[in-house]
Amino acid sequence: DGGITQSPKYLFRKEGQNVTLSCEQNLNHDAMYWYRQDPGQGLRLIYYSQIVNDFQKGDIAEGYSVSREKKESFPLTVTSAQKNPTAFYLCASSILRGGVGRGELFFGEGSRLTVL
Amino acid sequence: AQRVTQPEKLLSVFKGAPVELKCNYSYSGSPELFWYVQYSRQRLQLLLRHISRESIKGFTADLNKGETSFHLKKPFAQEEDSAMYYCALSDSNYQLIWGAGTKLIIKP
Repeated sequence: DGGITQSPKYLFRKEGQNVTLSCEQNLNHDAMYWYRQDPGQGLRLIYYSQIVNDFQKGDIAEGYSVSREKKESFPLTVTSAQKNPTAFYLCASSILRGGVGRGELFFGEGSRLTVL
Repeated sequence: AQRVTQPEKLLSVFKGAPVELKCNYSYSGSPELFWYVQYSRQRLQLLLRHISRESIKGFTADLNKGETSFHLKKPFAQEEDSAMYYCALSDSNYQLIWGAGTKLIIKP
């Protein structure tokens, strides 16, 4: 069953703790993305990676970190430096080519992080 | 600046009525535009893209470069159309620029 798997679905964290969200894909996609989804604000890009061992900051990277050691995996760490971490986090992947495939992202089911 | 604007946060229409979700964009190059949909308890997914000129689930969207718009339309709304809809634009670096989304509610 191909797709993107995010875990955990729900996560609670105390203030001051780091937490890592997992994202795995078996679609053989080159690019992977992390978005934050807040009501009324749409999707905001945190980090993205187009190739293994390389990643770029998105619009709201502060307080987050990522790694891309394998093509299939793109974990996101929400650090204690993130001022407002309670949110819904979405991971996505895509192929990198022009034409019909461009711009089509495949999303995971999301991870809801709540900071207590 | 590159931007996608969805002016309506919430749109509520009766079943059987026409639906139009508005999307305007600002982009200096040749845009590629998309509509994504998120049904309740389902993952965000692509609904349609302008380059394919297709109709999906009765929805169509026409790119109007003169008005810089890509409105999503359906002539007769169905209850299962209730969802969150996002308009997005793909830039030359394969990055998507997202609108804030419109929540569509179809009343019975």
